[in-house]
Formats: sequence, structure tokens, C-alpha cells
Amino acid sequence: KAGVTQTPRYLIKTRGQQVTLSCSPISGHRSVSWYQQTPGQGLQFLFEYFSETQRNKGNFPGRFSGRQFSNSRSEMNVSTLELGDSALYLCASEGGSGETQYFGPGTRLLVL
Amino acid sequence: DAKTTQPPSMDCAEGRAANLPCNHSTISGNEYVYWYRQIHSQGPQYIIHGLKNNETNEMASLIITEDRKSSTLILPHATLRDTAVYYCIVRPNNNDMRFGAGTRLTVKP
Repeated sequence: KAGVTQTPRYLIKTRGQQVTLSCSPISGHRSVSWYQQTPGQGLQFLFEYFSETQRNKGNFPGRFSGRQFSNSRSEMNVSTLELGDSALYLCASEGGSGETQYFGPGTRLLVL
Repeated sequence: DAKTTQPPSMDCAEGRAANLPCNHSTISGNEYVYWYRQIHSQGPQYIIHGLKNNETNEMASLIITEDRKSSTLILPHATLRDTAVYYCIVRPNNNDMRFGAGTRLTVKP
């Protein structure tokens, strides 16, 4: 079974731009969670989508948004990029409530 | 949410068992203990999880104390490829994963 895939793997943007990252979960998994990892703050939970609905949300500003499609693929969007948004963005999928999360390789975003 | 406490770093000799401790003294009855590891700049890798019984799989063993206030992840024969940051997470059912700072394990030849 293929693992979680994320595209693109690397991205460079400038301040003020917006970015969209994509995550394809493991086949059959309906939940996708997004995380931000920075050297200063560590791994922080952004939000979770289950069956196209946001089920859980972390403490991030409204510039960070996401959505999930009917095939469980998910996208996250960051608008008006700031230098501090430079990070490794990880997504994880799980089959159902309380099951194990499996992570993708991440998208490394650099904001200049 | 229950919080976890892990030592920031540990060393282990190659071929020896690595025992990584985790304190979770405020854990609730429905919260699972999960262990993940992250090798530099890769996505976290699932290792093992448990509720109250000890668990073993092909990667590791998880020992949870009877009062569930602490646990130990055991890598029975550590190799250089086990060098990574290890995260202990306490997770309520149907809830998000809250990662702490983890333990940086260095396996030395």
C-alpha cells in the first residue's frame, strides 16, 4: 500500500504571496491532519479533516486554511506569507477515529 | 490534554538496548501512549502504541507502568540508523496529536 504523499517537496515563496500544499492520504484513510514544524516551536497541530469536514483545529491564524476533497485528498493554503511561515509542513492520515496516524515526508517551505 | 516529559537527549552504544523513558503523570483512562520517531527532516515514523498493556512489534517494545503514569520504549538492539528524535505522545481517542520536544537519541559505534 502506498504511503502518504505530499507535493511539492520543496517550495520557495516571497512575503505576501500565498501557497497551496497538497496531501494524498493512504488509500482508504478518511482523516488528514496537518502540522507545522519549526526549529523554535517544534511540531504543532494545524487542523484535521475527516470526510471533507474540519473536525479539529489548532491555534493558528486564519491565514492558514485547508480543505478536503471527496477522495480524501487534502490541501492547505497559507495566504499573505510571512517570514515566520518558513517551516516543514507535514500531513498525516489515519483510517478512522483514534487510529494510528501515518505521516508523509513533508513539504519544506522557505519564505524570503 | 495530558502532557509528557522526556529527557532531551540520550546516548546508546550500537548493539545495546535503548530504553527511552516518558512521564505522563496526568494521563486519563481513555488516553493512549504513542511513540514516533523522526530522523532528520523526514516525516515522523510511527513506532508503537498502547493503552495499559505492554506491547511489542518488530520495531520495539512498550512498557507501561501499572498506574500508567510513565512508560518506556525499548529498542532491543540499537543500530546507527536508530539515531533520531523520539516522541512520546499521550492521545485521547479521536483527538489530535500533541508533540513535545522529544528525546534526541544518538546511537554510537
